[in-house]
Amino acid sequence: AQSVTQPDIHITVSEGASLELRCNYSYGATPYLFWYVQSPGQGLQLLLKYFSGDTLVQGIKGFEAEFKRSQSSFNLRKPSVHWSDAAEYFCAVGARTNAGKSTFGDGTTLTVKP
Amino acid sequence: DAGVTQSPTHLIKTRGQQVTLRCSPKSGHDTVSWYQQALGQGPQFIFQYYEEEERQRGNFPDRFSGHQFPNYSSELNVNALLLGDSALYLCASSQLQGPQLNTEAFFGQGTRLTVV
Repeated sequence: AQSVTQPDIHITVSEGASLELRCNYSYGATPYLFWYVQSPGQGLQLLLKYFSGDTLVQGIKGFEAEFKRSQSSFNLRKPSVHWSDAAEYFCAVGARTNAGKSTFGDGTTLTVKP
Repeated sequence: DAGVTQSPTHLIKTRGQQVTLRCSPKSGHDTVSWYQQALGQGPQFIFQYYEEEERQRGNFPDRFSGHQFPNYSSELNVNALLLGDSALYLCASSQLQGPQLNTEAFFGQGTRLTVV
């Protein structure tokens, strides 16, 4: 069975500081990995995805993530956080044959201190 | 392109009632997936519709049913509502066939269902 673990429920960082959100996955085949962001009461916006190739992927809003197969991880990073980055972040894993069906982690809430 | 649209945005229902939620996929997409997101949790896959048939289903009871129309739009129906059905219901559209095969899924803004 596939699963996603986001070990950090809540993270607080100062504006301008670097950020790393952790994600570990369990998947029987080669995974298709995503990071989404969700503002309060809103839907999910895709930040980036890993399908194949280069294990460091760039996304929108200055985010990047690194796929490490040996560690079953797909951590999200940003070098300098902005106050507008405060939101909930979800990591998800899905099948390469079906982008619409994904398994999500329970999310990490990011708070940004001024 | 309007993206994925869901209606209504908010809904309040009483226990035991039935509810229908609606989703219009992104233009060019042929597949609609429904997710339930309870407070403080990640979205959970309910089921997926393609070619007007339920293609895959998550671990949800038969009280949850759906439909896809020839124009690819979809409905999610929940019967005999329970308090625990209160959640944000998200619709995601994607493409299983065609030039944009499986690049990503696009989510709507969701319908907030409250059962009282």
